[in-house]
Amino acid sequence: GAGVSQSPRYKVTKRGQDVALRCDPISGHVSLYWYRQALGQGPEFLTYFNYEAQQDKSGLPNDRFSAERPEGSISTLTIQRTEQRDSAMYRCASSLGTGGLDTEAFFGQGTRLTVV
Amino acid sequence: GQNIDQPTEMTATEGAIVQINCTYQTSGFNGLFWYQQHAGEAPTFLSYNVLDGLEEKGRFSSFLSRSKGYSYLLLKELQMKDSASYLCAVTSSNTGKLIFGQGTTLQVKP
Repeated sequence: GAGVSQSPRYKVTKRGQDVALRCDPISGHVSLYWYRQALGQGPEFLTYFNYEAQQDKSGLPNDRFSAERPEGSISTLTIQRTEQRDSAMYRCASSLGTGGLDTEAFFGQGTRLTVV
Repeated sequence: GQNIDQPTEMTATEGAIVQINCTYQTSGFNGLFWYQQHAGEAPTFLSYNVLDGLEEKGRFSSFLSRSKGYSYLLLKELQMKDSASYLCAVTSSNTGKLIFGQGTTLQVKP
């Protein structure tokens, strides 16, 4: 597509439920990043992929969080047994490559998750 | 690991010049980005530096000193629409991660 697309844009869920957040990167982009952003803060790294391989998941807060990108394109961030502290803006970004200016990240509009 | 520091808030006057500083620590430096983020919107790319020196792009310029782990973003002829958060981000050739600083919220006043 023309840009990075995330769905849903808004998600309200009850505490204890599982949620799946979807990211559709720019076609042909190799790298895909997941970030979490609190109000007034910069994006906090969660995990990233090159093609279908998860390169780094050190930013995932705990084992309730997982991500996959099975065919090297669309990615899903899953949060199991959601807690109120998981409420945040979740942003996905993709980049053309892994070196130099190719690492410029293009961001989606984000998914605003609210756990009630 | 990677660590980035930038001021939390700055205020400047319309028409003036403002410099936003960023210091970083990373293993295997592979480039520094500046992004602009307006309230409620996604971050958008402003500039990229990988070599020492100044990169100029219209009213915006970005400087890098790799030996000092230091960069700044210079905004000239400030306009009200420049009120936004400015994010410094660094990539590591060792880890491949793109890590962002906390962002500097700039308020431009008339």
